Amino acid sequence: RKEVEQDPGPFNVPEGATVAFNCTYSNSASQSFFWYRQDCRKEPKLLMSVYSSGNEDGRFTAQLNRASQYISLLIRDSKLSDSATYLCAVNNRVSSGSARQLTFGSGTQLTVLP
Amino acid sequence: NAGVTQTPKFQVLKTGQSMTLQCAQDMNHEYMSWYRQDPGMGLRLIHYSVGAGITDQGEVPNGYNVSRSTTEDFPLRLLSAAPSQTSVYFCASSSRPVGVGELFFGEGSRLTVL
Repeated sequence: RKEVEQDPGPFNVPEGATVAFNCTYSNSASQSFFWYRQDCRKEPKLLMSVYSSGNEDGRFTAQLNRASQYISLLIRDSKLSDSATYLCAVNNRVSSGSARQLTFGSGTQLTVLP
Repeated sequence: NAGVTQTPKFQVLKTGQSMTLQCAQDMNHEYMSWYRQDPGMGLRLIHYSVGAGITDQGEVPNGYNVSRSTTEDFPLRLLSAAPSQTSVYFCASSSRPVGVGELFFGEGSRLTVL
C-alpha cells in the first residue's frame, strides 16, 4: 500500500460546482499535512496547510481526520483558474532516526469546464 | 527575486553518460531536497540536506549523488544515466524543517535518457 494515496481522478466539473478530494495516509505518526497545487508542466506550489481543527481560505476548505487517517480538500464555486493537479503531502521519517520529509500523493487532476 | 533556480531545464542523455543538475536558492534556506516526478507516481524524494555539509538519502537514492558545500547550492549528480532515470526533477528548499515550513520548488529539469 502506498504511504499516501489520492482519489484517482480526473475530475471534470462545471464552473460554479463544488468538488472535494480525499487523500489517505498510512503512517499514524504523521504530524503535518498539506495541499499543493501544480499547474500543467509547472512546479508544485503550496495551496494550504491542513490543521487538526480544519481550516478555510476563501473558497478552499481543508479537513483532517486522524482517526480514519485522511485529509480532504473542498473547493466551492469552482473557477476555470482552479484547473490544476492537486497534490496532498504528509510528513514522515524516511527511515528510523532520519529527519522528517514530505511524502506526496500522485495527485488528482481537476478540470473546470466553462 | 529568483527563489530556487534549476539548470538545465531540458536535457537529453545517452545511457551511461553522467551529468549534474544544478540547484541554487537565494533565500538562505537551510533545508534543500531533490524530488523526481513520474506519471502516476507522484513526487519521490531522492536526497535531502538539512544544512551545508549534511546530506541524507531519500526514498529513491540509487544512481544519484549529492553534495552541499554551501547553503545556496545543492547539485544532483547522475553517475551513469539509465532510461529509468527519465523523469522531471524538482529541487526544493525550505527555511524550516520539512513538514513544518513551506517547500519552495524550482521550475523543474526535464531529463530524457535514451
